[in-house]
Amino acid sequence: AQSVTQLDSQVPVFEEAPVELRCNYSSSVSVYLFWYVQYPNQGLQLLLKYLSGSTLVKGINGFEAEFNKSQTSFHLRKPSVHISDTAEYFCAVSFNQAGTALIFGKGTTLSVSS
Amino acid sequence: ETGVTQSPTHLIKTRGQQVTLRCSSQSGHNTVSWYQQALGQGPQFIFQYYREEENGRGNFPPRFSGLQFPNYSSELNVNALELDDSALYLCASSSITGNYNEQFFGPGTRLTVL
Repeated sequence: AQSVTQLDSQVPVFEEAPVELRCNYSSSVSVYLFWYVQYPNQGLQLLLKYLSGSTLVKGINGFEAEFNKSQTSFHLRKPSVHISDTAEYFCAVSFNQAGTALIFGKGTTLSVSS
Repeated sequence: ETGVTQSPTHLIKTRGQQVTLRCSSQSGHNTVSWYQQALGQGPQFIFQYYREEENGRGNFPPRFSGLQFPNYSSELNVNALELDDSALYLCASSSITGNYNEQFFGPGTRLTVL
């Protein structure tokens, strides 16, 4: 069965430090990969997506992620975080380009302090 | 352009009751997906509606049902509520065109079952 594992439930970091949020997936077929952010009391916002092509994907708010097929990973990175990046981050996969039935990880809470 | 809206924002019900949650799609979208997000978990896919027909379903019992209307708005109905149904219910709208179907999420309805 397909699944998504976010390896860290909480990541505390200081402002302006780099951060990496880890995501691994399990699938025997091609996948399409996404990172979403959820701010308190809000819905999900798409940060970036990998559908095909270049394995390094750039998204909004300075985030980027790299698709590694051999390691079945899609880690999210930002070189310098801000207080405003404090939020819950979800990695998700879809098994068709139509984006039907996203499968989400359990989420990583990023806490940025000064 | 109006985004995805959901109503109500909060709801309290007792075990055994029935509930209806509503979602208005983003303008131009013809597909609606519903997700359940339990506290501390990632969203789980309930089902998707496309042109008023169910177009995929996750691992949820039949007491979870839905409707999509000609204007592409949607309802999620849950019968015989259980305590474990307490969660944030997210609606996402999208347009099945071309090769990719980005889902835009609403802010959610928080359901508490007592």
